[in-house]
This record gives sequence, structure tokens and C-alpha cells, in this order.
Amino acid sequence: DVVMTQSPLSLPVTPGEPASISCRSSQSLLHKNGYNYVDWYLQKPGQAPQLLIFLSSTRASGVPERFSGSGSGTDFTLKIRRVEAEDVGVYYCMQSLQPPLTFGGGTKVEIK
Amino acid sequence: QVQLQQWGAGLLKTSETLSLTCAVFGGSFSGYYWTWIRQSPGKGLEWIGEISHTGSTKYNPSLENRGTISMDRSKQQFTLKMTSVTAADTAIYYCVRSNAAAASGLDPWSRGTLVTVSS
Repeated sequence: DVVMTQSPLSLPVTPGEPASISCRSSQSLLHKNGYNYVDWYLQKPGQAPQLLIFLSSTRASGVPERFSGSGSGTDFTLKIRRVEAEDVGVYYCMQSLQPPLTFGGGTKVEIK
Repeated sequence: QVQLQQWGAGLLKTSETLSLTCAVFGGSFSGYYWTWIRQSPGKGLEWIGEISHTGSTKYNPSLENRGTISMDRSKQQFTLKMTSVTAADTAIYYCVRSNAAAASGLDPWSRGTLVTVSS
């Protein structure tokens, strides 16, 4: 199975400041079609996870522009340009290149 | 706006069979993969398996052949059955739509069902 490792585990942030979450995979997630098969999800307190980013850098419908994804191969990053209070929750990366699909352990973002 | 609504028993005893059904509202059943994911404090988010609109299935080997996903296309529903449950299967279970062909992520998710297995 592909192992997804996220860091940090916890990320206290100040509203209006940027935030960055790292995700590393145990195998390359670059498909032969040139796309990296990595998604990012946010699980707000008491809710199911929701899709933020797919194919490493494409924002899902309705996701604010302050969220961006980047990376290739085995190293990926989710950035929030200016954190807002509604962004608190646990962020997960996930690989969809090969089954079984696997998730990172999560990064908890909280307001300082 | 596609919505997924699931139901099933929330309290099971060891060795019983888990059964959850998910209904798709407001969108097409065709062209997608229909997925089950669970979340537990110990294992985090775990992909259980999926069924395509054509009926082909894939499962996580970690289930050790205990899981079966089926569908009723006419009702736009799909079902997860997991045999011989133990306390390790205690988790919140989500049904999710996947556009695997476009690799456009898992969306939307159901609200989830907490399944507790006790002895």
C-alpha cells in the first residue's frame, strides 16, 4: 500500500496569516498521463470530510481561491494564503493512483 | 446537487454482519464509482472499497475478504456488507461518490453512520 505521511500533526495559525501542510508519499503518484493523483480534504468539526483539491492542484467547485495545492512525485503541499476562522479542522491528503486508496494521518489546524 | 443518504444498524455484536445502504439523490448513478470509507480513532480514514456503475468491484485487502459491495441501479442504491465484525470494525462509515475516470476526487460524502461493535 502507498503510505501517506503528513506534517505537521498540529498547526496553530493566526487569522490572516498563511499556512502550509506537507504530504509525502512512499511511492511516486505521477501517472503516465502527467497528473499527480493526490487529493486534499478538510474535515470540519462534527462533519464528514469535504474535497478541496484533486490532481494535486485543481480546486474543487466552490473552494475559495486562498486554497492551493502543489507538488509532484512524492512531495505535495497544501497552502492557505490567508487563514480564516472557518478553515479550522483536520486536513487530509489522499492518493488515488492505485488501490487501496490511502490517506495521510491528518493535520489539525486551529486558531491561536 | 447530489446527496447521499445512508442507513443501517448502528450497534452490532461480535461475529455479526454489518449492512449499510446508501441512496443517491439528485444526480446520475451512471458514470461514477460508489465508494465506502470508514473512520476510526485508531486507523484514521480507511478506504473500504468501491463499485462502478457497471458493477465491477474493488476492495481493500485489509478487509480479508469480509466485505461485499453491491448495487441496485434501478433504485440508485449501493450496499456494503461486512461479515464477522469485531471491535476493530467500530467506526464511522461514509458512502462517497468517486469520479475515478476523471480522478476528480471523492465528492460528495454522506453524513456518516457510527457503527459500534460490542461483545
